[in-house]
Amino acid sequence: EVQLVESGGGLVQPGRSVRLSCTASGFTFVDYAMTWVRQAPGKGLEWVGFIRRKANGGAPGYAPSVRGRFTVSRDDFSNKAYLQMDNLKTEDTAMYYCIREGSHTNGEYGFFDYWGQGTLVTVSS
Amino acid sequence: DIQMTQSPASLSASVGDRVSITCRASQDISIYLAWYQHKLGQVPKLLIAGASTLQSGVPSRFSGSGSGTDFTLTISSLQPEDVATYYCQRYSNAPRVFGPGTKVDIK
Repeated sequence: EVQLVESGGGLVQPGRSVRLSCTASGFTFVDYAMTWVRQAPGKGLEWVGFIRRKANGGAPGYAPSVRGRFTVSRDDFSNKAYLQMDNLKTEDTAMYYCIREGSHTNGEYGFFDYWGQGTLVTVSS
Repeated sequence: DIQMTQSPASLSASVGDRVSITCRASQDISIYLAWYQHKLGQVPKLLIAGASTLQSGVPSRFSGSGSGTDFTLTISSLQPEDVATYYCQRYSNAPRVFGPGTKVDIK
């Protein structure tokens, strides 16, 4: 059974940093890209960033709203993905989801087939 | 960057009605379009990938169509448990982008 468990959320002051972790199990982690999506209170879903699997180069990609402040990384030995969030703003307050990206048989990937339960980050003084 | 729009923003229909939601991409995205159902208090659920491929376990009353820039999610017979917000999402390249969502209610 695929499981994704996020941790690291909580209350943080504006301008500070926090690192979210995602522990994956039930699938071959190294074979999948991993994504982070957030939902601010009363708002829609927003893609934050992702990291490709090593076989596709392993590079990350980011939404314009977080580029330069957030960093996505992965540790294939411990089956973990991370979201490092620096210089946090009040508008970063949201539920953050860790997600496995599904793929088609032609190799294209990027839809979100398994989601964690999410971890809440509240940015407030 | 590619922008995604959805219409309508919300709809209210009766049980048993046929309901359609439209998603439009600002550029050609081929078939790389997914649909998600997000019920209040739950984790979003993947319904359809590749514009029209229904995911395992998703009721057959859900269907997807389209390619290029125009896509449609159809619920053939609306059920009370379908009350949710529905999002489209483009993929295959970064950035992945969600549409703004369509809220579906029962009249």
